[in-house]
Amino acid sequence: DIQLTQSPSFLSASVGDRVTITCRASQGISSYLAWYQQKPGKAPKLLIYAASTLQGGVPSRFSGSGSGTEFTLTISSLQPEDFATYYCQQLYTYPITFGQGTRLELK
Amino acid sequence: QLQLQESGPGLVKPSETLSLTCTVSGGSSSSSSYYWGWIRQPPGKGLEWIGSIFHSGSTYYNPSLKSRVTTSVDTSRNQFSLRLSSVSAADTAVYYCARCLVKADAFDVWGQGTMVTVSS
Repeated sequence: DIQLTQSPSFLSASVGDRVTITCRASQGISSYLAWYQQKPGKAPKLLIYAASTLQGGVPSRFSGSGSGTEFTLTISSLQPEDFATYYCQQLYTYPITFGQGTRLELK
Repeated sequence: QLQLQESGPGLVKPSETLSLTCTVSGGSSSSSSYYWGWIRQPPGKGLEWIGSIFHSGSTYYNPSLKSRVTTSVDTSRNQFSLRLSSVSAADTAVYYCARCLVKADAFDVWGQGTMVTVSS
């Protein structure tokens, strides 16, 4: 199985900050990586797919980059509604796997 | 706009079979542009992919669950289903059904999730 390791696991930041979350794959996955946002009690929401393609309706302050084994999700200027948990996911090969999550909290 | 809704018992006894159905509304359960998946999330933990099923009936399962999982699609009812046998407390989780876009290789539409507790 391909392991996805996110860093950091917890991140404390303020409104207006620029934050970056990293997702590292245990082997190369080309660009088959997606990012999700999940708020408490809610289903995950797709933000980015194919490593850098913004899903429709997602604000442009979200961006993704990377290929191979290292990927990043960047939020250029945090808004109050962005405080949530973020997951990466690969579909390069089965089984589909998710990172362990990064919890973004208000400082 | 396509929507998904999970349904099924919220409480299952140990060793019994968990059965969930996902109803598709606002779209078709049969398309080559997407397929369906089941994902679960134990309380306070991360996401775990259970399996995926294509409208053709082809399936892929998480090896850790493969011996206990069965999925199916009923295109006439616009539904797809999950069965997980021989459950234990470790199977207690919120279960989500989701649509996976072929072009994106990502789950773009999710159900709201249903909590299933395994307890006697």
